[in-house]
Amino acid sequence: AQSVTQLDSQVPVFEEAPVELRCNYSSSVSVYLFWYVQYPNQGLQLLLKYLSGSTLVKGINGFEAEFNKSQTSFHLRKPSVHISDTAEYFCAVRNTGRRALTFGSGTRLQVQP
Amino acid sequence: GAVVSQHPSRVICKSGTSVKIECRSLDFQATTMFWYRQFPKQSLMLMATSNEGSKATYEQGVEKDKFLINHASLTLSTLTVTSAHPEDSSFYICSARPDDPVTVNEQFFGPGTRLTVL
Repeated sequence: AQSVTQLDSQVPVFEEAPVELRCNYSSSVSVYLFWYVQYPNQGLQLLLKYLSGSTLVKGINGFEAEFNKSQTSFHLRKPSVHISDTAEYFCAVRNTGRRALTFGSGTRLQVQP
Repeated sequence: GAVVSQHPSRVICKSGTSVKIECRSLDFQATTMFWYRQFPKQSLMLMATSNEGSKATYEQGVEKDKFLINHASLTLSTLTVTSAHPEDSSFYICSARPDDPVTVNEQFFGPGTRLTVL
């Protein structure tokens, strides 16, 4: 079985400050890792993904994440946030032998002026 | 590319009626689609995996007879909530996994359907 833990349910941050949203996972097999963003009353939009190769992954809207296999983490970072980044962020994993995603509980990023 | 639509976006129905939600992949084929349910301020919970040409695979605790899934073609899956009750009120989101080998490891999500059962 696999699981995803997002330790922070809410992260308040001021505009133009850096932010890190934490994600840890557990799985007995190799995994693919994803970060999605959800704006109110909308579906999910893919921010970035790690399938293989370089452990530092760059995504849309200036976000990046680093896969750390030894720490089983896939933290999301942005060096300078905007008000428009206010949304819910979900980390998800899929093991290579399964088709469905397992989602974390989500982190609400609240960017303040 | 890789757009998934859902219809309707919102539906309000009376208790005891059935509601059908459509999920379409607009510009790609998807043998596999997924249905998720999301309660307010919570994460997405996988309900079932929809397979074109075969029966859906339901997650533990999800009633097959309550949530009927039909994957009629490579671009369309439907979820029918039968005899809906207020506790079925939720945000239902579908996703589609492309058959294209280049993007087969990704899922593309629909915009969701807000179901309110009175």
